[in-house]
Amino acid sequence: QSVLTQPPSVSGAPGQRVTISCTGSSSNIGADYDVHWYQQLPGSAPKLLIYGHDNRPSGVPDRFSGSKSGTSAFLAITGLQAEDEADYHCQSFDRRLGFYVFGSGTKVTVL
Amino acid sequence: EVQLVQSGAEVKKPGESLKISCKGSGYNFRKDWIGWVRQMPGKGLEWMGIIYPDDSDTKYNPSFQGQVTFSADKSINTAYMQWSSLKASDTAIFYCARYTNYFDYWGQGTLVTVSS
Repeated sequence: QSVLTQPPSVSGAPGQRVTISCTGSSSNIGADYDVHWYQQLPGSAPKLLIYGHDNRPSGVPDRFSGSKSGTSAFLAITGLQAEDEADYHCQSFDRRLGFYVFGSGTKVTVL
Repeated sequence: EVQLVQSGAEVKKPGESLKISCKGSGYNFRKDWIGWVRQMPGKGLEWMGIIYPDDSDTKYNPSFQGQVTFSADKSINTAYMQWSSLKASDTAIFYCARYTNYFDYWGQGTLVTVSS
C-alpha cells in the first residue's frame, strides 16, 4: 500500500487534456515537501518529468505541468500525444516514515 | 553528459549472493548521492535508499535495511548494491539514479531474476 495514492489508469484522446492526481497526507505533500513526477515509457527506465511541484527539466515539453493543493499534487498533460502513453509516478518525502516515497503509479493510455 | 550505466541482467538461485553495479560519468560522482529504486514485476517504484560516494554515508528505507548493502568506490565512480542471500521475492528490476533532491538521471536498470 503506497503512502501516495494515484489512480491506476487514465485515458484520453489525442489532443485532450488529462490530469493525474497524487494524494498524500499531512506528513508528506500536506507538510509542504516537494513533489516530483517521473515518466516511464514501456520497457524503459523512469525519467524526471517535473521537479519541485511545477518545474520542468530542459527538454521536457511545456505540455506537462505540475501543481499542488493541500495534501494532493497533480500532473496535467495538455495536447495529449501518442508518445505520452506511459506510466507516471509521483514522489515526495514522508516525515512520519522518515524517507522518500513514490506513488502507486498511473498508466496513461492514448485512445 | 551525465550517464549512469548499470551492470547486466542476472539469473540466480535462492540463497546465492549478488553484487550489482552502477557507474557514473559526466559529473563529480563522489559529490552527489546515488539512490537505488526497486520495481517488482508489474508494480510501481520503491525507494530503497541512498549512498553518498564521497564518504559512503548511507540512508536505508527500513523495509530494505538488513536485506541489501550499499557501497561505493569513488576511485572508479561506481556504486554497488549487494545481497548475501537472495530470495525469490528479490526478483525485480533495480535502478540506480543520481539524487539531488530528486532523481534527475537514471541508469538503464538491472533485471535480477531469482529462481530455483
